[in-house]
Amino acid sequence: QVQLVESGGGLVKPGGSLRLSCAASGFSINDFYMSWIRQAPGKGLEWLSYISTTSNFTTYADSVKGRFSISGDNARNSLYLQMNNLRAEDTAIYYCATWTCGADCYFKYWGQGTLVTVSS
Amino acid sequence: DIQLTQSPSSLSASVGDRVTISCRASQFISKYLNWYQRRPGKAPNLLISGASSLQSGVPSRFSGSGSGTDFTLTISSVEPEDFATYYCQQSFRTPPITFGQGTRLEIK
Repeated sequence: QVQLVESGGGLVKPGGSLRLSCAASGFSINDFYMSWIRQAPGKGLEWLSYISTTSNFTTYADSVKGRFSISGDNARNSLYLQMNNLRAEDTAIYYCATWTCGADCYFKYWGQGTLVTVSS
Repeated sequence: DIQLTQSPSSLSASVGDRVTISCRASQFISKYLNWYQRRPGKAPNLLISGASSLQSGVPSRFSGSGSGTDFTLTISSVEPEDFATYYCQQSFRTPPITFGQGTRLEIK
């Protein structure tokens, strides 16, 4: 059974850093591109980043480029999001998801999310 | 970047009603359009991919149609568990992967 479990969220001050983790089970993170998506309070879904199956290609939304970094650890079968220079507008629930591509591409499996609050 | 505009932003319906939600892309995206349902406190759930392909386990009352720039999600007869927020998302030209702003389906 495919499962994604995020962790690492919490309260952090503006300008601070946080590292989110996403533990995968039931599949290998090498099988899919992996992605981070967030939802701020009262807002819609926002894609942030994805990483290729071999971890040699990453891409980011403009809103987090230069501040966030995605990475994967095959041995731990886990995905990470290093978030630096956090701002109040980064307050959101952060989800990891598989970016599954066949005839088309979509977010097939999602974690339950971890809440990040940026506030002084 | 490709922008997706959903309409309406919210709607009220009764159990048993037929409901349609629209998603319009700012440019041609062929059939590369997916629909998700998000219930409060739950992770988003993929309903439809490729504009009209129903995902395994998704009730047949859900259907999707459209191509090019205009797409529709239809619920043929709303059930209580369908009251949620629905999002469209395009995969035609990425990055960035973009979502619509969401449509909240509320109980009348």
